[in-house]
Amino acid sequence: GQSLEQPSEVTAVEGAIVQINCTYQTSGFYGLSWYQQHDGGAPTFLSYNALDGLEETGRFSSFLSRSDSYGYLLLQELQMKDSASYFCAVRAFRYGQNFVFGPGTRLSVLP
Amino acid sequence: GAGVSQSPSNKVTEKGKDVELRCDPISGHTALYWYRQSLGQGLEFLIYFQGNSAPDKSGLPSDRFSAERTGGSVSTLTIQRTQQEDSAVYLCASSSPRGRPDTQYFGPGTRLTVL
Repeated sequence: GQSLEQPSEVTAVEGAIVQINCTYQTSGFYGLSWYQQHDGGAPTFLSYNALDGLEETGRFSSFLSRSDSYGYLLLQELQMKDSASYFCAVRAFRYGQNFVFGPGTRLSVLP
Repeated sequence: GAGVSQSPSNKVTEKGKDVELRCDPISGHTALYWYRQSLGQGLEFLIYFQGNSAPDKSGLPSDRFSAERTGGSVSTLTIQRTQQEDSAVYLCASSSPRGRPDTQYFGPGTRLTVL
């Protein structure tokens, strides 16, 4: 089967740095993505890793280690508006585009 | 152009009734996905359409669920004989073959409540 694991909740203060981990067990692997979802809103794409290493996009960075089946999302200079749920997602098949989403991590940013 | 749109935004129905949920993907996006999200949970894949290829229906939870995509654009998800456990937010997403294939653009969702 396919499964992804993430911490259920993370709390941090404004201006801090937080790391949200994702481990996966899938039959295939063609990329790890991260999505942000505010309460009542739709998920929005944040970042994508197909190869090992770090991808940086402004305050957000994402890391992947395929040998460890592990990735993380790093959020720097936290702002109140970053309070949301964050989902990792693995594309497990080359064809069919069947994505498997993690259960999500709820991030609370405190003043 | 406009983003992914879904209708209705909210749907309340009685157990045993059929419902239809609509998704309008971003123009030119050939890939379309349906997901289900229960309160506080992750996204559950339901079905995937890519161009004129046969859809990937591997995520549909039962034969009460079906979906079609007409003309490679608008998609309708139909749930027959609804049950209370069908209550959830149903999300539609689309992606472009010219963009990164893992970048999905989500609609606002339809919140379905089965009484």
